[in-house]
Amino acid sequence: GENVEQHPSTLSVQEGDSAVIKCTYSDSASNYFPWYKQELGKRPQLIIDIRSNVGEKKDQRIAVTLNKTAKHFSLHITETQPEDSAVYFCAASRNTGFQKLVFGTGTRLLVSP
Amino acid sequence: DAMVIQNPRYQVTQFGKPVTLSCSQTLNHNVMYWYQQKSSQAPKLLFHYYDKDFNNEADTPDNFQSRRPNTSFCFLDIRSPGLGDAAMYLCATSRGGQTAEAFFGQGTRLTVV
Repeated sequence: GENVEQHPSTLSVQEGDSAVIKCTYSDSASNYFPWYKQELGKRPQLIIDIRSNVGEKKDQRIAVTLNKTAKHFSLHITETQPEDSAVYFCAASRNTGFQKLVFGTGTRLLVSP
Repeated sequence: DAMVIQNPRYQVTQFGKPVTLSCSQTLNHNVMYWYQQKSSQAPKLLFHYYDKDFNNEADTPDNFQSRRPNTSFCFLDIRSPGLGDAAMYLCATSRGGQTAEAFFGQGTRLTVV
């Protein structure tokens, strides 16, 4: 089955710096890669996703890149703000009619003012 | 405007005493999922319903069951909770087919005493 590894487990940055979180996956048939943000005690919320037919996607300060050959994908957050502090999970899925998301282990991002 | 609602938010149960967690959705999504999230870990899929079809993950313990009486509601039954079942239980929904996003509820934090 699919296995998703995520690094780093914790990341501390200063406000305004960039943050990069990296994930690798094992199942070459996976074709959908979402990123979820989970604040303490709250639900995971989708922040950006990418499909396997696209190499990069950007939404304001957030971007995701995908390298299918190497089976890795990354989340890039620019101009970080304290409210970006949360746990970020990557996930991978084959879209076989439903989203069986296999999550990475999570990255705790702390943005200091 | 909550779209996936879980009740209760916090549940305390005794070791071995059956407990039921509930989830409802206003999105009319075909698919409903139950994830288990232990402290500082990634969510792990237990099972999902695609309409009325139940799909169990291979490593989900028999102690966990689910019911989906209609499109809107899904229940997680834990027949004999053990201390190791203490976790956050997340319900999620998605449309079937090619639609990507999974919407999560706020979760129920289960404590076993």
